[in-house]
Amino acid sequence: GAGVSQSPRYKVTKRGQDVALRCDPISGHVSLYWYRQALGQGPEFLTYFNYEAQQDKSGLPNDRFSAERPEGSISTLTIQRTEQRDSAMYRCASSFNQRGTQYFGPGTRLLVL
Amino acid sequence: GQQLNQSPQSMFIQEGEDVSMNCTSSSIFNTWLWYKQEPGEGPVLLIALYKAGELTSNGRLTAQFGITRKDSFLNISASIPSDVGIYFCAGQLTGANSKLTFGKGITLSVRP
Repeated sequence: GAGVSQSPRYKVTKRGQDVALRCDPISGHVSLYWYRQALGQGPEFLTYFNYEAQQDKSGLPNDRFSAERPEGSISTLTIQRTEQRDSAMYRCASSFNQRGTQYFGPGTRLLVL
Repeated sequence: GQQLNQSPQSMFIQEGEDVSMNCTSSSIFNTWLWYKQEPGEGPVLLIALYKAGELTSNGRLTAQFGITRKDSFLNISASIPSDVGIYFCAGQLTGANSKLTFGKGITLSVRP
């Protein structure tokens, strides 16, 4: 596709369930980023990859959050044992390389009941 | 986590007016960026600034990278209704980690 795509666009889950959010970057983009955006806030960095290597995961809030990009393309952000405070918009971005412009996807809105 | 300072949270202007937005940080950044976000979409890059003191234009948009490297401003001239949206500033340290640090955003409303 032309841009970054994310799925699902909306996810409603019950507290305690695990969720997996998918990001499909722009074809050929080496770098992939995950951000979380709360209502009324700007995106906050979670983690990023160059190819399949996770370069920085310092923004992941706790060990319930993990991300992978096994083949250097599609990435999955997994949240285990979800809590209500995990509710937010999760955004993915990709760039041609580490210095390139970051292009954002439409996001996945997660609601934990 | 750290966020850049943007205020006010909302701005209301008349179509045709100019508007200026400021962004400040307690830390130095090597790159400053301005993004616009519309409902249902992700942020879209408007302007990127790479050198302290740099002034860059993109159509009716003009942005400057502050000489202290701790601030930036964005100016929109002759506003039109489609300028409505949330404007985010973002700072980036180039090198080992290219993550973006965003401000809270300013919601711009334009009255026809």
